[in-house]
Amino acid sequence: EAGVAQSPRYKIIEKRQSVAFWCNPISGHATLYWYQQILGQGPKLLIQFQNNGVVDDSQLPKDRFSAERLKGVDSTLKIQPAKLEDSAVYLCASSLDPGVLNEQFFGPGTRLTVL
Amino acid sequence: GENVEQHPSTLSVQEGDSAVIKCTYSDSASNYFPWYKQELGKRPQLIIDIRSNVGEKKDQRIAVTLNKTAKHFSLHITETQPEDSAVYFCAARLMDSSYKLIFGSGTRLLVRP
Repeated sequence: EAGVAQSPRYKIIEKRQSVAFWCNPISGHATLYWYQQILGQGPKLLIQFQNNGVVDDSQLPKDRFSAERLKGVDSTLKIQPAKLEDSAVYLCASSLDPGVLNEQFFGPGTRLTVL
Repeated sequence: GENVEQHPSTLSVQEGDSAVIKCTYSDSASNYFPWYKQELGKRPQLIIDIRSNVGEKKDQRIAVTLNKTAKHFSLHITETQPEDSAVYFCAARLMDSSYKLIFGSGTRLLVRP
């Protein structure tokens, strides 16, 4: 089966600019996750969707980050304005249903560099 | 908040030796503990997982053990090979409405030929 797709793979922007990332989960996966992975650290969950509803966004910096999954399939994550500390790899993942211990499948990630 | 601690942060072993990575978790209700392998520049991939109703699980050269009383679990890799070199992440699933995973900080394993 096709995996989780993300684009772009790399992005370089200057601080205070805006940026958007796109994710297409595995077909049929109801749950979609956006993680931030800073160099040398484990993935940190930013937001979790179940279909098109938000399940958890407790660690999303809502003053600058936003995400949507309007039709319950693709998702976009936006940062506006970006800060230097936002430099990281942004990973998208999907699963069938986290309540039944289904595996999370990760996309290749978008490496963001903020100058 | 809930967290997962992982040790060591780096581990270097000789090819053929065993490697052990340990994690502790804080949410006593957690019941699912996956391990992910991330090669340089690639996506994390699940290599093994364990549920709280078992104490040990094996898959060829890798095994995971779980001690719920002590709230820690470990990854064991035997007969290590150079292709085992990667960053390994443990995780624990929170038992709230999100069932989200909390990841450890990772262990960089280097297998020397």
